[in-house]
Amino acid sequence: DQQVKQNSPSLSVQEGRISILNCDYTNSMFDYFLWYKKYPAEGPTFLISISSIKDKNEDGRFTVFLNKSAKHLSLHIVPSQPGDSAVYFCASSGSARQLTFGSGTQLTVLP
Amino acid sequence: NAGVMQNPRHLVRRRGQEARLRCSPMKGHSHVYWYRQLPEEGLKFMVYLQKENIIDESGMPKERFSAEFPKEGPSILRIQQVVRGDSAAYFCASSPLMENTEAFFGQGTRLTVV
Repeated sequence: DQQVKQNSPSLSVQEGRISILNCDYTNSMFDYFLWYKKYPAEGPTFLISISSIKDKNEDGRFTVFLNKSAKHLSLHIVPSQPGDSAVYFCASSGSARQLTFGSGTQLTVLP
Repeated sequence: NAGVMQNPRHLVRRRGQEARLRCSPMKGHSHVYWYRQLPEEGLKFMVYLQKENIIDESGMPKERFSAEFPKEGPSILRIQQVVRGDSAAYFCASSPLMENTEAFFGQGTRLTVV
């Protein structure tokens, strides 16, 4: 029973263009959402988060959008850079502090 | 200000041996979480601990796996009598006391059972 789903295992984008990574969740008790970036052989690195009381949070090139009615969140990266190539995981938490992760999306930014 | 430290980075064990994975949380963090990542999959929650207490172990297999976070020293994830299916990357994360804040991850321990 996957409570957090990332339906696109991979995404390729040209350098300078926008990358949009999507995530859906099923548990309506989730109230905090995060995006992590992961390089091979390293641990996940926190990117950006959003609380359920907001619908948008922006930090530099990264913006996270939350649509609670659709139980959907997305991460926008603009402009995309080759160094952004990594696996991106969305994660959610609710009253339980631990994170529930999606299966990840491999982003490749082409120079 | 050191991040979350895990050791060893790589661990090879023969079937039936014991594996001990260590995690030192970030300074000031009182919550520790262990996650496992199987090949081509996302991270799966295993156990959540505070100092000397297991808060939630709902993601941990009932047999052969145990975790502790003693008053002094690192958190330990222990796997007894390892099997091939235990081969995975094990990540530890820590977070501070307040809620709705990000967890910081260590670099992981890659366990290979041969």
